[in-house]
Amino acid sequence: GAGVSQSPSNKVTEKGKDVELRCDPISGHTALYWYRQSLGQGLEFLIYFQGNSAPDKSGLPSDRFSAERTGGSVSTLTIQRTQQEDSAVYLCASSLTDYSGNTIYFGEGSWLTVV
Amino acid sequence: GQQVMQIPQYQHVQEGEDFTTYCNSSTTLSNIQWYKQRPGGHPVFLIQLVKSGEVKKQKRLTFQFGEAKKNSSLHITATQTTDVGTYFCAGNYGNKLVFGAGTILRVKS
Repeated sequence: GAGVSQSPSNKVTEKGKDVELRCDPISGHTALYWYRQSLGQGLEFLIYFQGNSAPDKSGLPSDRFSAERTGGSVSTLTIQRTQQEDSAVYLCASSLTDYSGNTIYFGEGSWLTVV
Repeated sequence: GQQVMQIPQYQHVQEGEDFTTYCNSSTTLSNIQWYKQRPGGHPVFLIQLVKSGEVKKQKRLTFQFGEAKKNSSLHITATQTTDVGTYFCAGNYGNKLVFGAGTILRVKS
């Protein structure tokens, strides 16, 4: 597609429920990233995919968070048993290969509110 | 761990005044990138600096990368109301892009 597409754009969920956030990167981009941004805060790195593999999962905050990428394209970030502190904007980004020398393009984000 | 410190957190300037935000890393960076996020929007890539001591300009924006590749700055000359937003630096450590906390810029007209 023309840009990085994320869905849903907004999600309100009850504490304890599971949520899935989807990212469709720019066509042809092999690198995909997930970041989290809490209200008024900076960008917190979650995970990075190169193709379907995740060489760096160090940012996932707990074992309730997982992510996968299939077909070298779409990625899903899953949060199990959501907590109120999970409320944030989850931003997906993609780039042609990897960080070095490549522009990273962000999606509009998925706004998650846990009530 | 790898951390990028960015200051100031917030700056409110009069239209026409200059603005600068600074980023510092405790370890050497492969490169540094700068992003702008408008209120309610998502980060948009501005520029990447790779070489030690590099200086790049984009109209009223001047970006610098320190000689030791551990610090960087973004300077805006004669701010305009369209400059409002949060400016993030992002340090590339080769295997991870670590964002600074951002500097929020507000411009009074």
